[in-house]
Amino acid sequence: GAVVSQHPSRVICKSGTSVKIECRSLDFQATTMFWYRQFPKQSLMLMATSNEGSKATYEQGVEKDKFLINHASLTLSTLTVTSAHPEDSSFYICSAGGQGEGNSPLHFGNGTRLTVT
Amino acid sequence: AQSVTQPDIHITVSEGASLELRCNYSYGATPYLFWYVQSPGQGLQLLLKYFSGDTLVQGIKGFEAEFKRSQSSFNLRKPSVHWSDAAEYFCAVGAYGSNFGNEKLTFGTGTRLTIIP
Repeated sequence: GAVVSQHPSRVICKSGTSVKIECRSLDFQATTMFWYRQFPKQSLMLMATSNEGSKATYEQGVEKDKFLINHASLTLSTLTVTSAHPEDSSFYICSAGGQGEGNSPLHFGNGTRLTVT
Repeated sequence: AQSVTQPDIHITVSEGASLELRCNYSYGATPYLFWYVQSPGQGLQLLLKYFSGDTLVQGIKGFEAEFKRSQSSFNLRKPSVHWSDAAEYFCAVGAYGSNFGNEKLTFGTGTRLTIIP
């Protein structure tokens, strides 16, 4: 079964509103989570690294004030798209890995399709 | 900086035929290498991974990949494709020496696989 749950799977919002996306690790503690963005027919681009209990690390070119990341617990990270605009419409995917997982791979959520109208 | 190249944007294969998807990476040290598959509107599923040891790795769904350090390649193969294999395939590289399970992955641009009867 899924070890990383991402919610919602789809969301439509109006321009100017904010949207929160949740990423939960279901049966392990994720000290680090990653948020990716994927444009249609393109690859995944890393947006930020979310670290439990500390500030997220954003990739170059990603606006931290627009894409707010909170990793308040070892099983939950949230991405809030603030003041969304149509150009923010995209597929957002999180991944999570925990300490001591040995050779276990990173686990990915099923993604969130955001449409801003 | 690490990078991944998937030279084939789109490949069409007849059902039952063999398949090889190409992946070349650039990284200054020993990489962690992954192949993921993504169905439309879905998250990523790990097919297989390479960290060390045997350079021919077996994955799920009958896939295998071979790490060739001299060619900086990690090509994905399957001897006989099924219609259900139609999807997008991503090769990714992770930084060696990081806390495994928490790698920041760099993805290739993906190869879309179409299966014809």
